[in-house]
Amino acid sequence: ETGVTQSPTHLIKTRGQQVTLRCSSQSGHNTVSWYQQALGQGPQFIFQYYREEENGRGNFPPRFSGLQFPNYSSELNVNALELDDSALYLCASSSSGTGNTEAFFGQGTRLTVV
Amino acid sequence: AQSVTQPDIHITVSEGASLELRCNYSYGATPYLFWYVQSPGQGLQLLLKYFSGDTLVQGIKGFEAEFKRSQSSFNLRKPSVHWSDAAEYFCAEGALNNAGNMLTFGGGTRLMVKP
Repeated sequence: ETGVTQSPTHLIKTRGQQVTLRCSSQSGHNTVSWYQQALGQGPQFIFQYYREEENGRGNFPPRFSGLQFPNYSSELNVNALELDDSALYLCASSSSGTGNTEAFFGQGTRLTVV
Repeated sequence: AQSVTQPDIHITVSEGASLELRCNYSYGATPYLFWYVQSPGQGLQLLLKYFSGDTLVQGIKGFEAEFKRSQSSFNLRKPSVHWSDAAEYFCAEGALNNAGNMLTFGGGTRLMVKP
């Protein structure tokens, strides 16, 4: 069973640039969620993708967008990067259905905006 | 809106001592509650979860948590801490939709273990 994998593990971008982060969900999982974890804080929910559509969104501006592909993998795109976007970005995959579902997290992508 | 509070930012315990990490949630008569652990530079690993039924939940690595509706709490406990338990611990509440849970996390408690 393959776990959740994220790429890249680290990257550095300049303010104003755009970035794409990638996530491969665990085998058999059809839901992907993205979280932002600033240094010293708990993760914050960005959005959830299910059936290739955004299915729920947290309090993040539209410059945070995403995609889900037919194989359930997902991308997180951030436009017009700001210094405060520096964080660990976590992807989690799970199966749809009842609430009794566990979300499995990847190791994260550490984004630094300079 | 959901909110999860972990009142203790840092806790230090001696190896072999007991541990209790506090968590308070703010929403839902029947909440979905989780405890995750995060080691430095790592993702999150699920320790245990509560959805319904027995209010005392057993998890991995010898952890347990007790759901108390009257106190809106879901505290994590371990009878004897090991040095390898040093990590950051996050309590979370799930909001269920058709695709699964969207998690609201607390700010975390950093556990340090003294030899």
